[in-house]
Amino acid sequence: DTAVSQTPKYLVTQMGNDKSIKCEQNLGHDTMYWYKQDSKKFLKIMFSYNNKELIINETVPNRFSPKSPDKAHLNLHINSLELGDSAVYFCASSQARITGELFFGEGSRLTVL
Amino acid sequence: DQQVKQNSPSLSVQEGRISILNCDYTNSMFDYFLWYKKYPAEGPTFLISISSIKDKNEDGRFTVFLNKSAKHLSLHIVPSQPGDSAVYFCAAFTSGTYKYIFGTGTRLKVLA
Repeated sequence: DTAVSQTPKYLVTQMGNDKSIKCEQNLGHDTMYWYKQDSKKFLKIMFSYNNKELIINETVPNRFSPKSPDKAHLNLHINSLELGDSAVYFCASSQARITGELFFGEGSRLTVL
Repeated sequence: DQQVKQNSPSLSVQEGRISILNCDYTNSMFDYFLWYKKYPAEGPTFLISISSIKDKNEDGRFTVFLNKSAKHLSLHIVPSQPGDSAVYFCAAFTSGTYKYIFGTGTRLKVLA
């Protein structure tokens, strides 16, 4: 039973398209994240939501819009995709404010052609 | 501005020997540190952590050491096994915030 699941796992699309990646966690955590792993393999935080409220927005272009319908779900919508958006996007969750683990999903590899 | 750095992009070790992975940080507000292991096409998985009030934490073959004055931590794996071959990320966290900041990763290869 997967703790943090994200779909799709692979996504290939053309420049200019709009796409979404979905994430769900069944751990009962109150905080969810999106991280981006770029071509240099850096894991960079993009967004975080705590109880459906945006708490971290790390200078990400406005084309990226996270949405959290409830605390178990955090989706990432990307408008007008660009070549530089090609990366692996990881969803994660934690019971933050309390030191503890961050649990990751398997990642969604986005390729923009 | 990379607050958490892993200066060795790769490391090769013989099976059975010790692997030592290093991590440096710049932010003195970090009070919790974690190590993650990542296999290709999978998400990072938690390995071991340490609070800033400790200088050592051990879990089986894995030990993490923290030197606060040097702002340095290290992960020791002994004995190393071929299944340990993966990319290892260190991460740092400040209590009361929501941010986990990751290092750039070290690719460990354990040779049989």
